Amino acid sequence: EAQVTQNPRYLITVTGKKLTVTCSQNMNHEYMSWYRQDPGLGLRQIYYSMNVEVTDKGDVPEGYKVSRKEKRNFPLILESPSPNQTSLYFCASSLKGAKAKNIQYFGAGTRLSVL
Amino acid sequence: AQKITQTQPGMFVQEKEAVTLDCTYDTSDQSYGLFWYKQPSSGEMIFLIYQGSYDEQNATEGRYSLNFQKARKSANLVISASQLGDSAMYFCAMREVNGRGSTLGRLYFGRGTQLTVWP
Repeated sequence: EAQVTQNPRYLITVTGKKLTVTCSQNMNHEYMSWYRQDPGLGLRQIYYSMNVEVTDKGDVPEGYKVSRKEKRNFPLILESPSPNQTSLYFCASSLKGAKAKNIQYFGAGTRLSVL
Repeated sequence: AQKITQTQPGMFVQEKEAVTLDCTYDTSDQSYGLFWYKQPSSGEMIFLIYQGSYDEQNATEGRYSLNFQKARKSANLVISASQLGDSAMYFCAMREVNGRGSTLGRLYFGRGTQLTVWP
């Protein structure tokens, strides 16, 4: 089954404790992206990757890191989480090519609380 | 400036009635795609429908149709014969295909419209 898998689905942590949210897709997509969703703000892009070893900042990259060492995986790293990073996080993937209809498929989301 | 504007924070519709969710977009590109996603209370993002900027006909997918008015830069989602299970947050999104590598593939989202279907 084609899917984007995020783990964990729920995470409660404390300020400053490094954490990683994993994301894996099995559709051989080049493009992967991380979003955060906050009430009233919709989805905002954190980082994205056009392919292996190619990553770039989105709208709200501060406090986050990513890496893309393999095509299928795109982990999101919070080196020193703070309460303002409490949010719902989504990983998404799509084909990269210059076609408007490259549908982005989303993971189920990770609900993060930073105390 | 906002790329995607959804002006209806919340909408209510009675079961079996049709409802239109508004979306306007801002782009200077000629080639772009417009998407609608549904987010039920469980949280996942579900792709509903796609409209390409060069598509001459409005997209349809079952009970969903997209009222695409290019000159007005609007891409409203129409849900016909609403069902209780349609109650969810709905997001409009746009992808530009401008060839500038740094933005290729990027999806811009609106802030969403919460749809409630009542019996």
